[in-house]
Amino acid sequence: DQQVKQNSPSLSVQEGRISILNCDYTNSMFDYFLWYKKYPAEGPTFLISISSIKDKNEDGRFTVFLNKSAKHLSLHIVPSQPGDSAVYFCAAFGNNDMRFGAGTRLTVKP
Amino acid sequence: DGGITQSPKYLFRKEGQNVTLSCEQNLNHDAMYWYRQDPGQGLRLIYYSQIVNDFQKGDIAEGYSVSREKKESFPLTVTSAQKNPTAFYLCASSINRVDNQPQHFGDGTRLSIL
Repeated sequence: DQQVKQNSPSLSVQEGRISILNCDYTNSMFDYFLWYKKYPAEGPTFLISISSIKDKNEDGRFTVFLNKSAKHLSLHIVPSQPGDSAVYFCAAFGNNDMRFGAGTRLTVKP
Repeated sequence: DGGITQSPKYLFRKEGQNVTLSCEQNLNHDAMYWYRQDPGQGLRLIYYSQIVNDFQKGDIAEGYSVSREKKESFPLTVTSAQKNPTAFYLCASSINRVDNQPQHFGDGTRLSIL
């Protein structure tokens, strides 16, 4: 059962533009959400998180938005840079359980 | 500097052979985890441990075994009972499993069958 879904396996954007990565979840017990970034042959690294008591969290070029009623979160990267090219995983945590999406491969073209 | 070290980076297994993947952390984290990643899929939890000498099965524990004799170490054994072991294995740790804290990952071990 895929409790966390990233429906776009890949996304390509131009350098300087906005990248928007989306994630949907089904379990209403999830109350903490995270985004991880993964380069080839490396483990995922933590990028940004948001608690369910908030609807937005910002950290530099990265902003995560949470829409609890729609069970949807998104990661915005502005402006996108070629070094942002990686696979991005969303994760959801709640009730001592963490679930990961399948990942979206972001390519930022110079 | 603190982190999680997985070894080896690449591992080859013959049919019917058990192999052990190493995971060591110096972050003083209580909780440790093993995940498996297959192409097009999210990370799936194999086993986790919340404290020394305790561990629990995750979603896909069959064919795997673990031990947690030291806080810093959480080795994973892929047994011959695991019929499809070829995958990328990730070890992670977190301060604990209860609080809202991110997990920190190692760089993974890629296991292949000869």
